[in-house]
Amino acid sequence: AQSVTQLDSHVSVSEGTPVLLRCNYSSSYSPSLFWYVQHPNKGLQLLLKYTSAATLVKGINGFEAEFKKSETSFHLTKPSAHMSDAAEYFCVVSDPYSSASKIIFGSGTRLSIRP
Amino acid sequence: GAVVSQHPSWVICKSGTSVKIECRSLDFQATTMFWYRQFPKQSLMLMATSNEGSKATYEQGVEKDKFLINHASLTLSTLTVTSAHPEDSSFYICSAKLAGSSYNEQFFGPGTRLTVL
Repeated sequence: AQSVTQLDSHVSVSEGTPVLLRCNYSSSYSPSLFWYVQHPNKGLQLLLKYTSAATLVKGINGFEAEFKKSETSFHLTKPSAHMSDAAEYFCVVSDPYSSASKIIFGSGTRLSIRP
Repeated sequence: GAVVSQHPSWVICKSGTSVKIECRSLDFQATTMFWYRQFPKQSLMLMATSNEGSKATYEQGVEKDKFLINHASLTLSTLTVTSAHPEDSSFYICSAKLAGSSYNEQFFGPGTRLTVL
């Protein structure tokens, strides 16, 4: 069975400082992994995805994530936070071989940016 | 590309009435669509998987007679909340999987805020 754990429910950083949002996964197979961002009362926007190609994945808005199989982690990072990055972030895991096509959401991490 | 729309974006209804929410894939065909429910400050909870031309598959604990799902075409799925009650108030989000996609990537709609008075 697959699962995903976001280790921090809330992260607060100052504008211009690095962002680290942590995600650990559990999967019996080589998973597909995604990070989505959700601004208040909005739908989800894909930031980036890992699909068994390069382990360092670059996404939109300066975000990137590194797939580390040995640590079963897929942490999201950004070198310099911007006020517009304040939002809810979801780490998602999927079994690409599942006929059900389901994805599993983490509990979310709320990112706050201090001026 | 890969845009999903939802209509309406918000709706207020009286208790006991039914509400229909539409989910459309605007520029691609989606053989599979998903309906999620999200409570404030919580993650998304999968309600059901909708396959074009067949009955939806509901997750455990979701009442299929209350949440009617129809996926009549490759670009449209509808969720009808029947006999709505205040506890059905929530943010409903649909998503669509690109037909033939290998990675289960889902494209999400903007959500529908349902408030039942």
